[in-house]
Amino acid sequence: QVQLQESGPGLVKPSETLSLTCTVSSFSITNGFYWGWIRQPPGKGLEWIGTIFHSGTTFYNPSLKSRLTMSVDTSKNEFSLKLYSVTAADTAVYYCARYGDWIDSWGQGTLVTVSS
Amino acid sequence: IVLTQSPVTLSLSPGERATLSCRASQSISNYLAWYQQKPGQAPRLLIYDASYRATGIPARFSGSGSGTDFTLTISSLEPEDFAVYYCQQRTNWPPTFTFGPGTKVDFQ
Repeated sequence: QVQLQESGPGLVKPSETLSLTCTVSSFSITNGFYWGWIRQPPGKGLEWIGTIFHSGTTFYNPSLKSRLTMSVDTSKNEFSLKLYSVTAADTAVYYCARYGDWIDSWGQGTLVTVSS
Repeated sequence: IVLTQSPVTLSLSPGERATLSCRASQSISNYLAWYQQKPGQAPRLLIYDASYRATGIPARFSGSGSGTDFTLTISSLEPEDFAVYYCQQRTNWPPTFTFGPGTKVDFQ
């Protein structure tokens, strides 16, 4: 069964870059699914961030597109997120996930706090 | 496309029937899923393509609807069903996703 694990700093300063990596195990990321990120501010709802295919093709939430880069490393079976120029509004639990037509597998989530 | 969920909170007792609504701002055919989220956990896929149960989901969960109006029904609430439920739509191409704001099902 596929497993996803987020990793990265839990604290980022305002105006800096939030960087997260999702390591996928028990499943090859080249095996025909999309991969991506969803976030959830504390006490609030879910927001789709973006999706990437193993070829590197990306699809971003328009509201984040100007600050967002996603990438994939097939040799390490992982994919990554960079969100630039963060503010307190970017404080959230960030989930990585596998997408077929729908999100069928999720990481456990990692809380990233934006604060000085 | 904007998704609206109602009610915001549904207060019920175990054994009761829960009916949750999700409305899309324009037709999305049957491109709708429902997720359940418990505190401190990642969401879990319950229903996809509006009416198909995901693997391992009990039969008391059912989904219906198409176009703009969708419903998630829990026929008889079990204690473990008290959670937040989100609907989500996807576009066919490019593959983009939008979540509704959620409905919390809590104990009356």
